[in-house]
Amino acid sequence: NAGVTQTPKFRVLKTGQSMTLLCAQDMNHEYMYWYRQDPGMGLRLIHYSVGEGTTAKGEVPDGYNVSRLKKQNFLLGLESAAPSQTSVYFCASRAGGLYSNQPQHFGDGTRLSIL
Amino acid sequence: EDQVTQSPEALRLQEGESSSLNCSYTVSGLRGLFWYRQDPGKGPEFLFTLYSAGEEKEKERLKATLTKKESFLHITAPKPEDSATYLCAVNTNAGKSTFGDGTTLTVKP
Repeated sequence: NAGVTQTPKFRVLKTGQSMTLLCAQDMNHEYMYWYRQDPGMGLRLIHYSVGEGTTAKGEVPDGYNVSRLKKQNFLLGLESAAPSQTSVYFCASRAGGLYSNQPQHFGDGTRLSIL
Repeated sequence: EDQVTQSPEALRLQEGESSSLNCSYTVSGLRGLFWYRQDPGKGPEFLFTLYSAGEEKEKERLKATLTKKESFLHITAPKPEDSATYLCAVNTNAGKSTFGDGTTLTVKP
């Protein structure tokens, strides 16, 4: 079982460059999430999706865009990277609907450094 | 505003020295409380879900308990392999999930 797979695992960018982080899940989950994790700050929600073709803003959406063209994939884009976006990015998915108490399943993260 | 606070931020124990981690929450309506374990360089891994006050769940050396205001993760006779960051998260009646900042546990042999 692959679960949630994130690519790439590491990336270094220069300020102003763009890139896309890919998240793929093989559990047929409706809900998918993108978080960033910074030292001492826990997980902060960037964007999420409640199903194919849908996206919604989370707690810290500025500077990021997302797309969910296929149910199994959730893409996170940085159009013009800034040093403040240096972080570890986690993707997660879960089963069930809005009020489901199913746990989230996480990938192993993408470590992104912006110089 | 929903709030989840974990304490302490860091905890260092000797092998075999039992202790507890705390997760206190202020939310509009609790639907479920989750505990996750996160190893360095990895994503969080699900441990337990608790739904109502008085509920307890156990797994090996870990036991999670829940009251109306907080949850405890009790670690009995910890081993070095229990070293990790432990995250608490709550699901609210509004369908929202909120994570705490985590407690980093180090168990020395």
